[in-house]
Amino acid sequence: QVQLVESGGDLVRPGGSLRLSCAASGFIFSDSYMSWVRQAPGKGLEWVSSISSGGTIINYADSVKGRFTIARDNSKKSLYLQMNSLRADDTAVYYCVTEGNPPQFYFDNWGQGTLVTVSS
Amino acid sequence: DIQMTQSPSTLSASVGDRVTITCRASQTLSTWLAWYQQKPGKTPKLLIYDASSLKSGVPLRFSGSGYGTEFTLTISSLQPDDFATYYCQQYNGYSRTFGQGTKVEIK
Repeated sequence: QVQLVESGGDLVRPGGSLRLSCAASGFIFSDSYMSWVRQAPGKGLEWVSSISSGGTIINYADSVKGRFTIARDNSKKSLYLQMNSLRADDTAVYYCVTEGNPPQFYFDNWGQGTLVTVSS
Repeated sequence: DIQMTQSPSTLSASVGDRVTITCRASQTLSTWLAWYQQKPGKTPKLLIYDASSLKSGVPLRFSGSGYGTEFTLTISSLQPDDFATYYCQQYNGYSRTFGQGTKVEIK
């Protein structure tokens, strides 16, 4: 079955950087659109970024554009999120998620999430 | 950016009730809309995609409808396992946006 395991969440100071990773298994990763979705404590869901199966089409939410970079390594079945210039409002659980086939960009399978806390 | 507005924000209902949640989009979506269920401390679970397609394994008491800018999620007979928060999500083009969520509470 589909497994998505996130790692890399930590406590970081404002202005700092962090790199999240997601290890995928149980499906053909190289055929799948992937995304990061986050959820601040006690708040709703927020889409962060998406990347096409080949890595050529990338999209970001306005709230992270210019600060976050999504990437993937299909040979390692892994998804990444490089987060720079972190702010307090980036504090959230970050989920690695599979999407449907284009143009059906719904979020099908979810990892358990990794917590990022931005605080001094 | 497309904004999604859910109503109500909170809904109190009893087991056996018919429950309807509405999601409105700031621009037309055709049928590019999904619904999710999230229980406290758990990851979200996809219920419906393309406005009305039920994901395999999801109970038939869940249904979705709508087109364009107005969509509904209906639970035909609320069960104890259904008390949760529900989110809509649009996926028109390359943008993705969630609604703010609707919490379904026990009356």
